[in-house]
Amino acid sequence: DTGVSQDPRHKITKRGQNVTFRCDPISEHNRLYWYRQTLGQGPEFLTYFQNEAQLEKSRLLSDRFSAERPKGSFSTLEIQRTEQGDSAMYLCASSLVDSSYNEQFFGPGTRLTVL
Amino acid sequence: AQRVTQPEKLLSVFKGAPVELKCNYSYSGSPELFWYVQYSRQRLQLLLRHISRESIKGFTADLNKGETSFHLKKPFAQEEDSAMYYCALIGGGYQKVTFGIGTKLQVIP
Repeated sequence: DTGVSQDPRHKITKRGQNVTFRCDPISEHNRLYWYRQTLGQGPEFLTYFQNEAQLEKSRLLSDRFSAERPKGSFSTLEIQRTEQGDSAMYLCASSLVDSSYNEQFFGPGTRLTVL
Repeated sequence: AQRVTQPEKLLSVFKGAPVELKCNYSYSGSPELFWYVQYSRQRLQLLLRHISRESIKGFTADLNKGETSFHLKKPFAQEEDSAMYYCALIGGGYQKVTFGIGTKLQVIP
């Protein structure tokens, strides 16, 4: 499978614990995005990278959230001191820089449950 | 600020009936509009984008700047069209995608 992959697919944690998710984009894609989706809502933008540079962050991304893409390939999203409100599906997407082509390819998501 | 509104959370139609999934947007400039679809147990995927002016799986969508709408249409619904449909917008050259809350299309056999 050459699509976007995410690991783990499911994560159950206790409130206050830290969690880290990984996203592997399509290999030639230089843009990578993180979204959060809660029940009954569409995906909400969190942040995006072009290569290793984090170019935009949403106000949804509180100080407890940090994302990295150290070598411009895979990315990690860490949530520190998790809260029950962090329970959601975390989606990763990637795309290729092209002024006329903005298709983002999505991964399967990581479902986080905070108890 | 950019916003996408999908007024219907659920749309049920009979097989063979026409389908129209509504989408309205709010954006001051010239946005790029998309429809994404998520079939059961599958990942979110692009269905079509307005700049391509294409028909995918019988679906079409026309951007109406006067009404700020981008409704998705299909003349004859099929059972395999049952899925969640999300209207989405990219504005201002930025890569942030703003999604609507989605409409669940249920095609009744």
